Amino acid sequence: DGGITQSPKYLFRKEGQNVTLSCEQNLNHDAMYWYRQDPGQGLRLIYYSQIVNDFQKGDIAEGYSVSREKKESFPLTVTSAQKNPTAFYLCASKTGPWDTEAFFGQGTRLTVV
Amino acid sequence: DQQVKQNSPSLSVQEGRISILNCDYTNSMFDYFLWYKKYPAEGPTFLISISSIKDKNEDGRFTVFLNKSAKHLSLHIVPSQPGDSAVYFCAASGSSGNTGKLIFGQGTTLQVKP
Repeated sequence: DGGITQSPKYLFRKEGQNVTLSCEQNLNHDAMYWYRQDPGQGLRLIYYSQIVNDFQKGDIAEGYSVSREKKESFPLTVTSAQKNPTAFYLCASKTGPWDTEAFFGQGTRLTVV
Repeated sequence: DQQVKQNSPSLSVQEGRISILNCDYTNSMFDYFLWYKKYPAEGPTFLISISSIKDKNEDGRFTVFLNKSAKHLSLHIVPSQPGDSAVYFCAASGSSGNTGKLIFGQGTTLQVKP
């Protein structure tokens, strides 16, 4: 089955640690996106990538980093510089930037303990 | 700067009645609008969309209306069912060249009571 997979579903991190969230898709999509969801604030764009080996900052990129070494993978690293990392993180993909509908993964709930 | 706004955090309707969810936007360059449905601890799923060249799009029980002059769109669900209870996000695209970014509203939590 084609789809977009995020792992793990739940993740706990100690303060001061970096942590990497996985996002894999087998839809052959060029464009991939990372969003963060907080209560009452909807989905905010962290980073996006329109093609392999290229990515751009979104609206709230501070404290995050990404890589796009393979078309099917777009991992997100939450660094210790992110002041408030506890949130629900969503990865999405589209055929290309010109496409309209984005497909989302099931999300990763990150909690800092 | 919130370019897409859903001013009603929550909405409660009776089963069988109409649900109307509203969304306002500020950027006239948006050329495509989408509605997503989201259950807790899950990713959003696409529901329905509309191009800026249209004013209405219908898919079964779901209809989206677009009023470009008012920069307003709405999602109508008729008849509402308990399974429709979820968070609904309005999203817009097309304002930033070809980046493909979707700009989301804050979401509206719909509760359909049996």
